[in-house]
Amino acid sequence: EAEVAQSPRYKITEKSQAVAFWCDPISGHATLYWYRQILGQGPELLVQFQDESVVDDSQLPKDRFSAERLKGVDSTLKIQPAELGDSAMYLCASSYRQGDNSPLHFGNGTRLTVT
Amino acid sequence: AQSVTQLGSHVSVSEGALVLLRCNYSSSVPPYLFWYVQYPNQGLQLLLKYTTGATLVKGINGFEAEFKKSETSFHLTKPSAHMSDAAEYFCAVRAGSYQLTFGKGTKLSVIP
Repeated sequence: EAEVAQSPRYKITEKSQAVAFWCDPISGHATLYWYRQILGQGPELLVQFQDESVVDDSQLPKDRFSAERLKGVDSTLKIQPAELGDSAMYLCASSYRQGDNSPLHFGNGTRLTVT
Repeated sequence: AQSVTQLGSHVSVSEGALVLLRCNYSSSVPPYLFWYVQYPNQGLQLLLKYTTGATLVKGINGFEAEFKKSETSFHLTKPSAHMSDAAEYFCAVRAGSYQLTFGKGTKLSVIP
């Protein structure tokens, strides 16, 4: 079964440094999501793309976070500067289309530790 | 607005016993409901989903869930727990706005 690819799996960075995560969704999936999952919590949506356009970034801390999906395929999430509170698992997911009952397919995530 | 509440952050069952993980939702429009499972250091995997129609939904690995509109519930069950079922389980709701909202999760431990 096709998978959502994410890299790196683990990242340790010092506060105030920049960090970037990469995601390659399942081929043909137009909708891409970035979620943040704090330890012991459920995933929370950061940003949603439909093709190359941002559909929802209302929960993205735009002073330090940015996301792009230039060609409507793979995507990059960046944090600059990183803060201690950013330590979490960052999950990418994709779906064939947005809305209704189209299920999300998740990657294995990037676990970020900020020291 | 929509929300989901999972009752019990940690549930322990004996191997072979019934698994029951509770989920209640709140939604102003008819919801779509999902259960996902997450193994340590992995992403989430879809177990089952409710859209419309039959209220008893069967998923993978022997799990099933029943949508009860009157109780705004979507509890997850499995008749007999296996050691491999030990994981964290997330209930999620989507209604109207297309944004999937997750509960805080229930960690299932299976005792041999």
